[in-house]
Amino acid sequence: DIQMTQSPSSLSATVGDRVTITCRASQGISNYLSWFQQKPGRAPKLLIYSASTLQTGVPPRFSASGSGTDFTLTISRVQPEDFATYYCQQTYNSPLTFGPGTKVDIK
Amino acid sequence: QVQLQESGPGLVKPSQTLSLTCTVSGGSISSGDFYWTWIRQPAGKRPEWVGRVTISGLTDYNPSLKSRVTISIDTSRNQFSLKMNSVTAADTAVYYCARVARSNTYYYFDYWGQGTLATVSS
Repeated sequence: DIQMTQSPSSLSATVGDRVTITCRASQGISNYLSWFQQKPGRAPKLLIYSASTLQTGVPPRFSASGSGTDFTLTISRVQPEDFATYYCQQTYNSPLTFGPGTKVDIK
Repeated sequence: QVQLQESGPGLVKPSQTLSLTCTVSGGSISSGDFYWTWIRQPAGKRPEWVGRVTISGLTDYNPSLKSRVTISIDTSRNQFSLKMNSVTAADTAVYYCARVARSNTYYYFDYWGQGTLATVSS
């Protein structure tokens, strides 16, 4: 199985901060990488697919990059509604696997 | 707008079978080049992919669950289903169904149901 790791596991930010989350795959996954945002009691919401493509309707303050094994998600100016847990997911090989998540909370 | 809705018993006894159904609305389950998938998430943990089914009924399962899981599709009812047998407390989780958008160059879960909590307890 491809193992996904994320760092940091949690971070505190102030509204307006730039936030960066990293995700690493245990082997190369090309660009088969998605990013999800999850709020308590809600289903994960797709933000980014194919490593860097913004899903329709997602604000442009979200961006992402990477290929192979190393990926990043950036929120350019974090807003109050962005405080949530973020997961990366590889869809390169079965079984599809998720990272452990990064919780972004208010400083 | 595609919508997915999970349904099924919220409480299952140990060793019995968990059965869930996902009803798709806002579009035909047979149209387009999509797969249909189940994911589960125990409280406080990361999501875990369970498996997926194509519109022709071909399946792929997480090897960690493969011996206990069956996913099927009923295109006439616009539904797909999950059966998991011999459940234990470790199978207690929120179960989500989702649509998979896929091609030669991309593969991602774009629409999700709201999730349903399945608790395994006597």
